[in-house]
Formats: sequence, structure tokens, C-alpha cells
Amino acid sequence: SQTIHQWPATLVQPVGSPLSLECTVEGTSNPNLYWYRQAAGRGLQLLFYSVGIGQISSEVPQNLSASRPQDRQFILSSKKLLLSDSGFYLCAWSRVPSGGLVRKDYEQYFGPGTRLTVT
Amino acid sequence: GNSVTQMEGPVTLSEEAFLTINCTYTATGYPSLFWYVQYPGEGLQLLLKATKADDKGSNKGFEATYRKETTSFHLEKGSVQVSDSAVYFCALIISGGSNYKLTFGKGTLLTVNP
Repeated sequence: SQTIHQWPATLVQPVGSPLSLECTVEGTSNPNLYWYRQAAGRGLQLLFYSVGIGQISSEVPQNLSASRPQDRQFILSSKKLLLSDSGFYLCAWSRVPSGGLVRKDYEQYFGPGTRLTVT
Repeated sequence: GNSVTQMEGPVTLSEEAFLTINCTYTATGYPSLFWYVQYPGEGLQLLLKATKADDKGSNKGFEATYRKETTSFHLEKGSVQVSDSAVYFCALIISGGSNYKLTFGKGTLLTVNP
């Protein structure tokens, strides 16, 4: 079976400090990978997605970046955190659906999340 | 573009009450529809899904029917429990390409009191 891990679970960082959040997936190969942010009282915002090693697409301009150094590893980084970066960060994976009209395997599977507080 | 609109929360019910959380969508193609649930302090879990019109997704007593004519996917449960207290997200995916990005609603907080 597949599992997805995120760490750390919680993090308190001062403004201006760097950030590195890690996500790894087990039990599958060549997954699509996603980073979402959930701010307090708001919905989920897609930050980045990746369809393969070294392939990153950014959805929202910001001071965050993402990297995928290995097939099942996805890293979210920042050189200098802002107060507005506080939130709950969720990593997710999905299978790469087969072609044609088959409409299955579209769901995304989420990790447990990292609670980031920037002070 | 694609969007999902959920009823504003929070929703507070007594145990064994009937639940409806409304969800409507706009989509540029033919979407698959999902309900995710987030329990306090946890990530999201897929609750149910439907991939074509008139499909009914169901799980743990929850149901939702894909209504293409009204572009809706309302979540229902006949008798809620305290353990159902969570945030519920409606979401859609449009097929095409290889990325399959989810579009989420803003979430609805449900609190069930004993």
C-alpha cells in the first residue's frame, strides 16, 4: 500500500529564517506530487505541482520554491520566511492516469501536514 | 475557469440530525467530483467521489449525487455523529494533460454536539 510522510509535523520559525519541508511517498512510482497551503479559516491553495523529477510548476507567485530531487521526494523551501507564510502545509500525491476516456485514479492522497508558525 | 462554491459554515448540529452541505461548481470540461474530510489537526482524507453524471458516491453513511443539470454535488448524511465533526471540502478535477489539479471549495466546518 502507499503511504505519504511529511516532516516536521510542527515548526515555529522567526521571520527572515529559511524553510525546508519534506514530503516522501512510499509504495508507488512516478507519482504526481503537490504542495498545498491552508491558511487559518481559509481553503486550500495549490502552491506547486510536479509531474516528474526536476519538473516543477508554480501556481502562485511567492517567496516559496519547490524541488523534486528524487522520484518520490518533494521539498518546499524558502530563503526568508514572511509572517504571511504561516499556515498548514499539505503534501499530496496522485497516480498518473492512463490515457483515453477512463476516468479513474484522479484522486489525490494527502499527507498529515506541517503546521508552520512564523513569528 | 473552474471553481467550487460551498455553503458557508460553520454548521452546528445535534447528534442524529440530518446533514446537508451544498456544493456547486463551474467547470470548463467534464469534471470528476470529490468530497474530502479533514479531522482536527490532520490532513485530508477522501470521503467519496463521482466521476460522471448521476453517479452517487457513498461512504461511512455519507452520500452525494453528481447532478450535471444543476452543476451540484451536495453532501448528505441521515444521522450525524459527534465523530463526524470536521471540515468538509468539495473539489473537482478536469481531465486532460498529466497533472490533474484539484480545485477545492473553501471548506465547511461541521460541529456535532452530543
